[in-house]
Amino acid sequence: DTGVSQDPRHKITKRGQNVTFRCDPISEHNRLYWYRQTLGQGPEFLTYFQNEAQLEKSRLLSDRFSAERPKGSFSTLEIQRTEQGDSAMYLCASSLVLAGGQEQYFGPGTRLTVT
Amino acid sequence: DAKTTQPPSMDCAEGRAANLPCNHSTISGNEYVYWYRQIHSQGPQYIIHGLKNNETNEMASLIITEDRKSSTLILPHATLRDTAVYYCIVRFTGTYKYIFGTGTRLKVLA
Repeated sequence: DTGVSQDPRHKITKRGQNVTFRCDPISEHNRLYWYRQTLGQGPEFLTYFQNEAQLEKSRLLSDRFSAERPKGSFSTLEIQRTEQGDSAMYLCASSLVLAGGQEQYFGPGTRLTVT
Repeated sequence: DAKTTQPPSMDCAEGRAANLPCNHSTISGNEYVYWYRQIHSQGPQYIIHGLKNNETNEMASLIITEDRKSSTLILPHATLRDTAVYYCIVRFTGTYKYIFGTGTRLKVLA
């Protein structure tokens, strides 16, 4: 257990529905990241926050995706009008900005299945 | 952005050292090399990272070549629980995001 929690762990939804995932990072960590992982591939970066500011977004993050970190603590990732191609594991990670490199601590992920 | 190349799979006998190579020939001077592993259906787990010097912690050792174009992760006494996909990552210049490749699938054999 890294101290990063994600909820729910599994989500099955029908195409066209909206889904929202939550990530609770390690409490003192000021950076939070979202990644997506499909079967047989490494995680792909989606976006990251420093405190409440969203500093970078991947082009993978289409208009149907939105992420927030309203108080610089937990974060939510929402997918609107889900498509079958959105089926994947969604991973959250957090880190503390330090000199000399920094490691990211990953949560267990939320597995999304769109039927 | 720096990219990494790893062999897709390796086997290692239990109790022996596992040496996992990684090429990162386009790495820049201030970019760190990180190693993570992912056991089936879990989130990636941090192992070790380094810049220029060799590093060791309770999990592994990281050997970085002098020109920094490649590195090797060493698990000194592999166990069955070390069976996982191992990712070598170079942190993208100017940001803190990771660019993962497809990693090396290590199977430790009894």
